[in-house]
Amino acid sequence: EPEVTQTPSHQVTQMGQEVILRCVPISNHLYFYWYRQILGQKVEFLVSFYNNEISEKSEIFDDQFSVERPDGSNFTLKIRSTKLEDSAMYFCASIRDLTSNQPQHFGDGTRLSIL
Amino acid sequence: KNEVEQSPQNLTAQEGEFITINCSYSVGISALHWLQQHPGGGIVSLFMLSSGKKKHGRLIATINIQEKHSSLHITASHPRDSAVYICAVRRGADGLTFGKGTHLIIQP
Repeated sequence: EPEVTQTPSHQVTQMGQEVILRCVPISNHLYFYWYRQILGQKVEFLVSFYNNEISEKSEIFDDQFSVERPDGSNFTLKIRSTKLEDSAMYFCASIRDLTSNQPQHFGDGTRLSIL
Repeated sequence: KNEVEQSPQNLTAQEGEFITINCSYSVGISALHWLQQHPGGGIVSLFMLSSGKKKHGRLIATINIQEKHSSLHITASHPRDSAVYICAVRRGADGLTFGKGTHLIIQP
């Protein structure tokens, strides 16, 4: 069965540095999402992306964050100047469309640790 | 803003017991998801519901749209069912809004 893949599985970065988290959604999927989960807390929505543009973003997704689909397969989340509080698990998800009766497919996540 | 409340927060049961996890949400939705998260963090989608009931193996999910309530049931529970079960809701094209999850432990 096709999967959403995320790399790296664990990223350790110094505070203030830029980080790029990568996702390869399922190939025929059209809607892409980033979520984060701070340790011990619930999963939170960051951003949704469709037709090469952001369709919705949460309050968390401030100017430090950006998303891009640089080619036909990758979907990236960039954090420009990382802060300690950006330490979290980041999940990518995708769905083919919103009308089919299909759930979102999640990647295994990238654990981001900011030192 | 949609709030998603789950109960119980923690549940410990003996192998073989029938398990029920509840989810309530505050505004109208287009779909409700039940997800499973194991230690190590990966999230697996179990069900997506917009009405009625779905069954997959020993798992059953129901939703009552009028009451804004959903339940996840596990029959003949097994230690391998131990995980965090998360309810999440979607409105239109929006991203999911998640509950805090129910930590389930099934003891042999």
